[in-house]
Amino acid sequence: DIVLTQSPALAVSLGQRATISCKTNQNVDYYGNSYMHWYQQKPGQQPKLLIYLASNLASGIPARFSGRGSGTDFTLTIDPVEADDTATYYCQQSRNLPPTFGSGTKLEIK
Amino acid sequence: QVTLKESGPGILQPSQTLSLTCSFSGFLLSASSVGVGWIRQPSGKGLEWLATIGWEDVKHYNPSLKSRLTISKDTSNNQVFLKITSVDTADTGTYYCAHRGVGGYFDYWGQGVMVTVSS
Repeated sequence: DIVLTQSPALAVSLGQRATISCKTNQNVDYYGNSYMHWYQQKPGQQPKLLIYLASNLASGIPARFSGRGSGTDFTLTIDPVEADDTATYYCQQSRNLPPTFGSGTKLEIK
Repeated sequence: QVTLKESGPGILQPSQTLSLTCSFSGFLLSASSVGVGWIRQPSGKGLEWLATIGWEDVKHYNPSLKSRLTISKDTSNNQVFLKITSVDTADTGTYYCAHRGVGGYFDYWGQGVMVTVSS
């Protein structure tokens, strides 16, 4: 299985930039696409897709959210952060079966 | 508008079989490239993919649980089912079904159903 590693927590001041990283132990690129996706989960809610295929903004997601990376190193950036961005953020790979998720990064807004 | 909703027993005893239903609307599971997956989350922990069924009835299972999982679908009634046999307390958590996009991401999620395994 592909293992995804995320830092457990991040604290960022309101209005600043948050950068959340996800590193994989195998390359998740294939034929020009990076099979890495990002989700936001607020307490008591289901996950919400933010970014798909590394850098594509999901429908209805504000442009404050962006994703980049390739191969084994990926980042989700929120700029500027808002109070409502308090949540846990998960990365997920779909390059290989089984699809696997990172352990999540809990974002605190100071 | 794509919606999904999970239903399940709420509570069951160890060794029983967990049966979950995902009822969806807004898409056809018979359409090309469409899939529905099940993902679970123990309370306070991360996400674990369990299984996915595709439009062509291809099924994929998490190898760590494969012997206990069965996924199936009723295309005419827009439902997907998941059975987990021989449950124990480690199976306690929230179970989500989700629409799988072409790239393997899950772009629409149900609200989740809480399952407790307890004697």
